[in-house]
Amino acid sequence: AQTVTQSQPEMSVQEAETVTLSCTYDTSESDYYLFWYKQPPSRQMILVIRQEAYKQQNATENRFSVNFQKAAKSFSLKISDSQLGDAAMYFCAYRSARLNDYKLSFGAGTTVTVRA
Amino acid sequence: SQTIHQWPATLVQPVGSPLSLECTVEGTSNPNLYWYRQAAGRGLQLLFYSVGIGQISSEVPQNLSASRPQDRQFILSSKKLLLSDSGFYLCAWLTRLRTEAFFGQGTRLTVV
Repeated sequence: AQTVTQSQPEMSVQEAETVTLSCTYDTSESDYYLFWYKQPPSRQMILVIRQEAYKQQNATENRFSVNFQKAAKSFSLKISDSQLGDAAMYFCAYRSARLNDYKLSFGAGTTVTVRA
Repeated sequence: SQTIHQWPATLVQPVGSPLSLECTVEGTSNPNLYWYRQAAGRGLQLLFYSVGIGQISSEVPQNLSASRPQDRQFILSSKKLLLSDSGFYLCAWLTRLRTEAFFGQGTRLTVV
């Protein structure tokens, strides 16, 4: 079974600074998808960024970027120029690319606080 | 466009009472559907998922059950709630055409 580990329960960042969230996962597969979701105080889950394992290039979405290290099974999220609206719980998630594997596994989450 | 509806938004139920949470998806067909539970300040625990009508896979043995009576409807139930069933319940859907899952707005359940 795939497991996703987020070792940082909480992170704090000064507004306009950069913060990096860590995520590691365990899998024996070679093709899969990785995601970062954001859960603000409203508790609505919002997709931040996704990465296909077969792509070597790291995904980027505006101020959000990932560092995908396939061999190390690491998938960190970097938030640049942090804004107050970035304050939320962030979840790393894994999904197999196998045709009949439908499970989406999540890490325990990291709570990000942004200091004004 | 696809949307997902989940209700009720909040629910307070006494111990031993039944539970029924409903989730429906619009704008897509044959989605994979999921129920997750999130304890306070914790991660998401996958409870059930379904790949089709009447097809339910259970991830965690517990006091809850799920059903999928229609293609785009997913129901989470319990005959008798326990205090430990309190939490935030999220419904999600995913299709073969999209890699990511989309979530409903969640139900905050408090068992008293």
